[in-house]
Amino acid sequence: NAGVMQNPRHLVRRRGQEARLRCSPMKGHSHVYWYRQLPEEGLKFMVYLQKENIIDESGMPKERFSAEFPKEGPSILRIQQVVRGDSAAYFCASSTTTATNEKLFFGSGTQLSVL
Amino acid sequence: LAKTTQPISMDSYEGQEVNITCSHNNIATNDYITWYQQFPSQGPRFIIQGYKTKVTNEVASLFIPADRKSSTLSLPRVSLSDTAVYYCLVGDRDSGNTPLVFGKGTRLSVIA
Repeated sequence: NAGVMQNPRHLVRRRGQEARLRCSPMKGHSHVYWYRQLPEEGLKFMVYLQKENIIDESGMPKERFSAEFPKEGPSILRIQQVVRGDSAAYFCASSTTTATNEKLFFGSGTQLSVL
Repeated sequence: LAKTTQPISMDSYEGQEVNITCSHNNIATNDYITWYQQFPSQGPRFIIQGYKTKVTNEVASLFIPADRKSSTLSLPRVSLSDTAVYYCLVGDRDSGNTPLVFGKGTRLSVIA
């Protein structure tokens, strides 16, 4: 039973380019969460999605960032026109439900470096 | 407004018991308390979860007093491999707020 898969593991982009981060949740999980982590910092919530729906995007910047979780395929976090400040580790997590006692399963993250 | 407060860092020698306390004064009736562990360059990993009193699993114990305004994660006989960041979270999804807010966690360093 594979865990949460994120790819790529490392992504290098130049300023102004687009970054696409992929996340395949655990089998049977229909809820996906994206978090961003700067060095020596905690994880900051970005967006919560269910299949084909964005449930909560309160932590995601209004410009340049977008996320989707299509009916088929992985969840995608897209960052357009990247800037140096976007350099961070981006973690995806999945769960089966949104009950308060549900635990999240995290992937190994994508380390984005913007040159 | 932070939902949880925990020490920034802790040091311990191998073989000792480590207790990390987390304050969550504004915990709601439906909230559970969950602890995660994160190693460098990895995503967080669930350790333990509880609602009240005491919960124990093969990794740790979680002590929650009656007022639920705090909780203590107890790691028995730590080893070097327990060096990690430990996050205390309070679940509030039923209220519609941001799910599982992570603070900065507690950086535990285990020394030989």
